[in-house]
Amino acid sequence: GQQVMQIPQYQHVQEGEDFTTYCNSSTTLSNIQWYKQRPGGHPVFLIQLVKSGEVKKQKRLTFQFGEAKKNSSLHITATQTTDVGTYFCASNAGGTSYGKLTFGQGTILTVHP
Amino acid sequence: SAVISQKPSRDICQRGTSLTIQCQVDSQVTMMFWYRQQPGQSLTLIATANQGSEATYESGFVIDKFPISRPNLTFSTLTVSNMSPEDSSIYLCSVELGLHRSGEQYFGPGTRLTVT
Repeated sequence: GQQVMQIPQYQHVQEGEDFTTYCNSSTTLSNIQWYKQRPGGHPVFLIQLVKSGEVKKQKRLTFQFGEAKKNSSLHITATQTTDVGTYFCASNAGGTSYGKLTFGQGTILTVHP
Repeated sequence: SAVISQKPSRDICQRGTSLTIQCQVDSQVTMMFWYRQQPGQSLTLIATANQGSEATYESGFVIDKFPISRPNLTFSTLTVSNMSPEDSSIYLCSVELGLHRSGEQYFGPGTRLTVT
């Protein structure tokens, strides 16, 4: 099945600094989804990218899907303490396996005030 | 979105016993999934709960250990059988919403299981 590698595993930033997490696959992905999990919480869907080279923005968050559809990134501009949590990328295999998400390892973001 | 509830929210169980986790959704959904998240780890899909048929299990997970029921379009249960400390984990159900199979999933709050 599909595997997605996510880096870095941890990121510590000062409030106001930027943050980026990367997701990579050796195979072409049908789509990429991003989730955020707050400490003690459950994963919350952020966005889905489907098209090659797609870029989507949600306020301070920018999501990109690579031209070859093998990598993706999430960038947060000017982090705030509310951004603390684990960010997961996930891919949804197509065809008969549609709906089965494979998650990356996650990046744990800590924001120091 | 949907409101998804899970029961129990947490439990401490003795090894060798079984625990059944319930997942309730406030609307009818076709796709329901069960995940495991071990402490500090990512999420791993256990199985897809199919309404009216047997669940579809992922590699490394078997029906005897994790029997699943899906009696209707709003409810599912996952049983963790003959538990050992290695089963200590957070178990999450999720649903895929939307008529057009958008793919995005919504998760329940999770059940934190500790096996002693």
